Order: sequence, then structure tokens, then C-alpha cells
Amino acid sequence: DGGITQSPKYLFRKEGQNVTLSCEQNLNHDAMYWYRQDPGQGLRLIYYSQIVNDFQKGDIAEGYSVSREKKESFPLTVTSAQKNPTAFYLCASSTDYGYTFGSGTRLTVV
Amino acid sequence: QQQVKQSPQSLIVQKGGISIINCAYENTAFDYFPWYQQFPGKGPALLIAIRPDVSEKKEGRFTISFNKSAKQFSLHIMDSQPGDSATYFCAASMKRSGGYQKVTFGTGTKLQVIP
Repeated sequence: DGGITQSPKYLFRKEGQNVTLSCEQNLNHDAMYWYRQDPGQGLRLIYYSQIVNDFQKGDIAEGYSVSREKKESFPLTVTSAQKNPTAFYLCASSTDYGYTFGSGTRLTVV
Repeated sequence: QQQVKQSPQSLIVQKGGISIINCAYENTAFDYFPWYQQFPGKGPALLIAIRPDVSEKKEGRFTISFNKSAKQFSLHIMDSQPGDSATYFCAASMKRSGGYQKVTFGTGTKLQVIP
């Protein structure tokens, strides 16, 4: 079955540590996205990529970085510069008919 | 101008009743209006969508009503069931190129259907 796989499902980060969230898709979609979800705030766009080796900042990119070396993969790194990283992170890809989301990674600072 | 305002924030409906969630937008360049359903601990899933050239779209118990002049659209869930309990997001988007969409999401409505 085609879809988006995010891993890990749960991730714990210590203060000052960088962590990387994985996102892999087998839908052959060009466009991919990372969203952050906080209670009561809906979905906020972190980064998006329209094609391989190209990506753009979204609305809340500070403290995050991404890469797009392969069409299938769009990993997100949460750096130590992100002061409030505890959230639910969603990866998505899209066609003309809307988004397909992964199951998310819940990141907690310990 | 990019905002999509969604209400109510939470909704409790009895089984068999009608659930209604409303959204309003400002940017007339939006050309695609999807609704997403999200269960706890899962990613949102596309439920139903409409383009602005139609006023209503129905899929099973789910109906989108669209009022272009008022820049409002709503989701109606008929015969609501406990299994419909989830968070619902409205969204508005503009297609750019190559499948990329600039999507603006509402803040979500948490629906609880009680037996």
C-alpha cells in the first residue's frame, strides 16, 4: 500500500540536543511538507519541498532544518535552537487532490 | 488574508444527530476547500473536498455546503455516530505547480458523539 511512513512514533530529546525525524513516502509525490501541531493551534507549516534538492521555509522554520536528497525522503531535524520543541510533528505529501499525512511523531523534551 | 476561521472549537452531539462545523475565509484566490478528519495519535486524513464552482457536495453522511459570496463553507455530518468522534480541520488552498499546494488550515473542531 502506498503511503507516508514517519518514525519514530515517540521521541524524547534532552536540552541542547539535535534530533532527526524521518519521513518516507512511496506515493511518487513531488511535494512534501512538515507541519507542527500544538493543542488549539491547528497545523503550522515548518518547511516544504516541491522537488528534490529544493526546499522552502514555512511559517515557523526557526530552529528546524530539512534536506531533500531523494524524492522519497524528507527528514526534519529539530535543532537546539528550537526552544519549545515539544509537539506532534506531521509529514505530508500532496497532489492536485489534497494531502496525504503520515501518522506523526510525538516529540517531548525531557 | 491567509486565515481560515473555524468554529466551534468543540462540539458534543447525540448519536443520530447532525454535527455542523463552520469555516470562513478571506482570500478569494483559494480554489480548493478540503476537510480533514483526525483521530487521536494519528495524522489527519482527507474526508471530503469541494471546489468553489459548486455549492454543495455530498459523500455518504458527510456534506460540504459552500457559499462563495459569503466566503463561508461548512461540514454537515448526518446521523452522527460515536465512531465520528474526532478532530475535524477545514482548509483552503491554492494550487501552485507540480502538485504543490499552499494550504491554510483552520484551528480544528473536536467532535464528541455521545450514545
